[in-house]
This record gives sequence, C-alpha cells and structure tokens, in this order.
Amino acid sequence: GAVVSQHPSWVICKSGTSVKIECRSLDFQATTMFWYRQFPKQSLMLMATSNEGSKATYEQGVEKDKFLINHASLTLSTLTVTSAHPEDSSFYICSAAFQGYNEQFFGPGTRLTVL
Amino acid sequence: AQKITQTQPGMFVQEKEAVTLDCTYDTSDPSYGLFWYKQPSSGEMIFLIYQGSYDQQNATEGRYSLNFQKARKSANLVISASQLGDSAMYFCAMREGISSARQLTFGSGTQLTVLP
Repeated sequence: GAVVSQHPSWVICKSGTSVKIECRSLDFQATTMFWYRQFPKQSLMLMATSNEGSKATYEQGVEKDKFLINHASLTLSTLTVTSAHPEDSSFYICSAAFQGYNEQFFGPGTRLTVL
Repeated sequence: AQKITQTQPGMFVQEKEAVTLDCTYDTSDPSYGLFWYKQPSSGEMIFLIYQGSYDQQNATEGRYSLNFQKARKSANLVISASQLGDSAMYFCAMREGISSARQLTFGSGTQLTVLP
C-alpha cells in the first residue's frame, strides 16, 4: 500500500503563534488529501478536503482563515493553524486517496499542544 | 442523523477468542463503501478491511471478516483468534459514492481490550 508521512509528529507552541503541519504522499500521487482533527477519546472529524491546485473544501464550522490548507503538489498538502489557542490543541491527522485503492491511507498524525 | 453508529464504547475479549464489533450505517446512496480502521494508542490509523455495497460476498482479510447485512444496514467486524496486540480503538467508516476521493464518515469507535 501507499505510505503517507506527516511532519512534525508533535509540536508545542505558544498561544498566538502559527504552526504548519505537512502531509506527504511518499510513493504515489494523491488524487485528494483530507485533514481530520481528533480530540481525546473521540472520533475523527473531517476538517477539509484538499485537491492539488485548487482551494480546499472546508466542513461546516471549520474556520477557513484559521486553518489554512495549501495543496501545492500531488504529493504535498499543508495545514497551517494560524494564531493558535489552547482550544486548538488536538491530534491532527491527514489522509490521502489514490487511484486504484478503495481505502484512504493515513499519516501518523501530529499532536499539537498550544500553551 | 448519525450516518455511522457504533453502539459499543468498550469491549473485552479473552485472548484467542473471537469478537464482533458492531456497526450500523445509514445512507440513501446505492453506491457506498464500508471500512474498518484500527487505531492503537500511538494514534496511527491502520486500514483493516473494505466492503463495497455491490459486493456479493463478505470481505475477509486474514483474521478479520466483515459481516455485511445490507438489508439491516450493518457491517460488523469479526476478529477471530484475538491477540493481545489487537487491543486498540476500532472505527467503522463509510464513504458514499464510488470514487475513493470522497470523504469518509467515521463512527464513534469501540475500544477493544484483549485479556490474557
């Protein structure tokens, strides 16, 4: 199967700063990438769907200006949490969809802690 | 309305026994896919098994099988011969439509604990 990497695996930042998380497809070109957020003991909630070269589609209730998604190539999508606050602390996980595969392949996730 | 329902927040099973994790879904789309993912404490999402809505036979992958009952809209995961390493959170998910580029909707998950 495909391999999806995520960087960093964890990050601690001060309130008000911005944090960028990278999601890379290592061996295939991804048709679509997805960003999820997961709070402790809860399920994955889709934040946005991202296609290369076009604007991301955000889910209802997700602030576009706060969670900036850039999908610059078929193998890289980035999520920037702008002006992070403690309530943004969460586990952020990306996934990628590839032609020929039914399942999405997930990155290992990024644990964000905002102090 | 919930599209994916997992009614078992937690399950216990004895090592080497079989266990069934329940999942029901709701959709009006005739084309859909059902997935099970395992999430250990490390957080990674591990794909286990897939069932397409038009598949006639239940999917199987090693010790995992999916009990697909279309009329009842259920897609239960059966793990045979449980191992200690199976202890993890298990999520059922659904994708509406055929394209793999469509989003997944996840259930609330079931925390499985395998007892020695």
